[in-house]
Formats: sequence, C-alpha cells, structure tokens
Amino acid sequence: DVKVTQSSRYLVKRTGEKVFLECVQDMDHENMFWYRQDPGLGLRLIYFSYDVKMKEKGDIPEGYSVSREKKERFSLILESASTNQTSMYLCASSLQLEKLFFGSGTQLSVL
Amino acid sequence: SQQGEEDPQALSIQEGENATMNCSYKTSINNLQWYRQNSGRGLVHLILIRSNEREKHSGRLRVTLDTSKKSSSLLITASRAADTASYFCATDSKTSYDKVIFGPGTSLSVIP
Repeated sequence: DVKVTQSSRYLVKRTGEKVFLECVQDMDHENMFWYRQDPGLGLRLIYFSYDVKMKEKGDIPEGYSVSREKKERFSLILESASTNQTSMYLCASSLQLEKLFFGSGTQLSVL
Repeated sequence: SQQGEEDPQALSIQEGENATMNCSYKTSINNLQWYRQNSGRGLVHLILIRSNEREKHSGRLRVTLDTSKKSSSLLITASRAADTASYFCATDSKTSYDKVIFGPGTSLSVIP
C-alpha cells in the first residue's frame, strides 16, 4: 500500500517564524499536493506539483511556498507564519489524478 | 473557488438506514471521486466515476453522475455506526489540468 508520511502530527509555532511541513511518499508518484482544511470550508488546494522541481499554485497560495527537489518529497513552507495559517495541513500524492493518497495531516497552531 | 460542493452539510441517521449525499460542481470534469475522512485523520479514496459513466457500485456504495446537471450523489446503504465520518467529493477539471478540487464535505453521523 502507498504510504504518505507527514513529518509532524501536531506543531505549535510563533507568529513570524518560518515553518517547514514535510511530506514523503514511497510509491514513485508524479503528482503531489498540499491542502489545508478548515471547519466549514473543506479542503482548499494550496500548491501542487506534477514533477520534480515543478510546482503550480492552487487556489490559496498566498503566504506559502513549496519545494520539490526529489520526487518523493514535497515540502510546504510558511515564510512568516501568521495566526490565520492555523489549520490542518494535508499532503497527498497520486500516480494519476484518479486516486489521491493522503497523509494523516499536520495540525498547525500559530500563536 | 470551489469546484465541488456537497449537500447536506450534516446528516444524522439511524443504523440500518440509507444515507444519501449530493455533490454539485461548476465546470466540465474528467472524473469525480468520493473520499471519506474519519475525525482528525487523512482522507481515504472510496470510489471514482468517470464523466462518461452514469452509475457505479462498490459494496454498499452507489454513486451516480449527471453531467447535464453537474451533480453526483453518493448512497450508502444499510449504514453502520462505523460509517460515521465526513464525506467529500473531488473533481479534476478539464480546464485546470492536474488540479483536484474538493468540496466542503458532508458530516455523516450514524446512530447505533
């Protein structure tokens, strides 16, 4: 089975800190995604990548950047964390767009 | 912008009853998928229906797709307490390649 691993289950950071969220998949998938999930809003796409070093903006990229130096790893970066970035962050990967495999999520709190 | 939106937002039923959730979307799609999320966890893929299909079954799940109305429904038959979860539809748009967009979800509670 595909495994998508997010580095932290819970994370607490201060406003203004630079935050790295790491995601690793073990199935050689081309596509990787970062979503944030907030109550009542569902999942919103932040960034996605369809190949190494390739990235595309999703619906809410402001305040975020990403890095994909290796196929298996897709990192989400909060350049200067703010309280409105407190959220559940979900990483996913897929071979084609027909089935996404999700990690368990990182609950980020920015104080 | 949300591609898919589910209805209702929340649903509470008795064990053994059927649960129906609906999803509407805005643009032409290649595929529509349904996912399930248990509280505080990642999402799990349930079923995919292609734009040229009208109905699909998997165990106790039945999915329909009406591309003329840009809508889909997920039916869970003979529900169990273990079906309690949030359910999301997701679409990949023909005009926004590589993007998979999720709706806000339906929270299903199955009461034993």
